[in-house]
Amino acid sequence: GQQVMQIPQYQHVQEGEDFTTYCNSSTTLSNIQWYKQRPGGHPVFLIQLVKSGEVKKQKRLTFQFGEAKKNSSLHITATQTTDVGTYFCAGPDNDMRFGAGTRLTVKP
Amino acid sequence: NAGVTQTPKFQVLKTGQSMTLQCAQDMNHNSMYWYRQDPGMGLRLIYYSASEGTTDKGEVPNGYNVSRLNKREFSLRLESAAPSQTSVYFCASTPEMRGNEQFFGPGTRLTVL
Repeated sequence: GQQVMQIPQYQHVQEGEDFTTYCNSSTTLSNIQWYKQRPGGHPVFLIQLVKSGEVKKQKRLTFQFGEAKKNSSLHITATQTTDVGTYFCAGPDNDMRFGAGTRLTVKP
Repeated sequence: NAGVTQTPKFQVLKTGQSMTLQCAQDMNHNSMYWYRQDPGMGLRLIYYSASEGTTDKGEVPNGYNVSRLNKREFSLRLESAAPSQTSVYFCASTPEMRGNEQFFGPGTRLTVL
């Protein structure tokens, strides 16, 4: 069956450093979504990517969808302590599979 | 609007006991979902309901049943709980299944002894 793999599992950075998490699917995705989950909280939607090669930005966050629509990435520039949490990719929406997530910790 | 609500927040069961997890949304969404989250495994889809009156199995349905009681409510039942069902359970909803973000409830932390 379809699998969505995400790396790395953990990332610890110094505040101000950049952070990137990668997501790979075993099949072509019609779309991909990204969620953030704060410690002890629930997943919160960040963005959806639909088009091949799509790049979207939200302030310090940059999301990319691969040309083949089988991979995606989330890059955070100059991390802040408020970025702490686990970032999940998920897709597609008609057969939702979540990646295992990348847990980000930020040292002030 | 309360969004997606779940009850209870915490529950401890003994092996073999049954219980129902409740979920309700007040956003007039058509589609609702049940996930479980285990450490290091992300979220796995148990069951979903694309619209009122329909339910379908997700990735890990064994040991669970669901009821879409009406448009607002989607319940998850464990008939005979097992320790392997110890997990955090999240309910989510979305306006339609395709092309929309999912809104998650706060979760139910279930321990089966």
